[in-house]
Amino acid sequence: QVQLQQWGAGLLKPSETLSLTCAVYGGSFSGYSWSWIRQPPGKGLEWIGEINHSGSTNYNPSLKSRVTISVDTSKNQFSLKLTSVTATDTAVYYCARSIPAAPYGMDVWGQGTTVTVSS
Amino acid sequence: DIQMTQSPSSLSASVGDRVAITCRASQSISSYLNWYQQKPGKAPKLLIYAASTLQSGVPSRFTGSGSGTDFTLTISSLQPEDFATYYCQQSYSTPRTFGPGTKVDIK
Repeated sequence: QVQLQQWGAGLLKPSETLSLTCAVYGGSFSGYSWSWIRQPPGKGLEWIGEINHSGSTNYNPSLKSRVTISVDTSKNQFSLKLTSVTATDTAVYYCARSIPAAPYGMDVWGQGTTVTVSS
Repeated sequence: DIQMTQSPSSLSASVGDRVAITCRASQSISSYLNWYQQKPGKAPKLLIYAASTLQSGVPSRFTGSGSGTDFTLTISSLQPEDFATYYCQQSYSTPRTFGPGTKVDIK
């Protein structure tokens, strides 16, 4: 049973860099895309971006200038960095597995990390 | 970006009711449409992918239909565990946008 376990700092000050990591347990890393999604308090879901096992990325244009998603296949992990955060980046951040053949339906999710940006 | 809309934004229903949620894309997305269920404090759960394919383990009372720009998620007989918020998501192109959600609560 594939599981995603995510971690990272939960409280940031404005202008700092958000950094989250998601580890994949119990399944293959290759053949899938790996995504980040966020959800501001009381609001809907926003797709941040994705990376495949070979490192090819797609980002949401609204965040592209600040986002980097990377992968460490040796550890079955992928990571999210978001620079210059502001209060509007306060959200629950999720990692998820996307199945290209599904197509790109996200069938396994991490537990979520609450990130608060406050001075 | 492809914009996704959902209607209604919320609905109240009783156990046993048949419920339909619609999702519309701002341009044709063929069948590249996924449906998720989210309960408070939990990660979303994939219900249906490719517009009409039931994800493994999801009860058969959930069905998806549609193609092009108009899609529907139907719950044939609402169960207590189905009270949640439902999101559609297009996976035709990036960014893989979500609809704003439909909250289903108890009448």
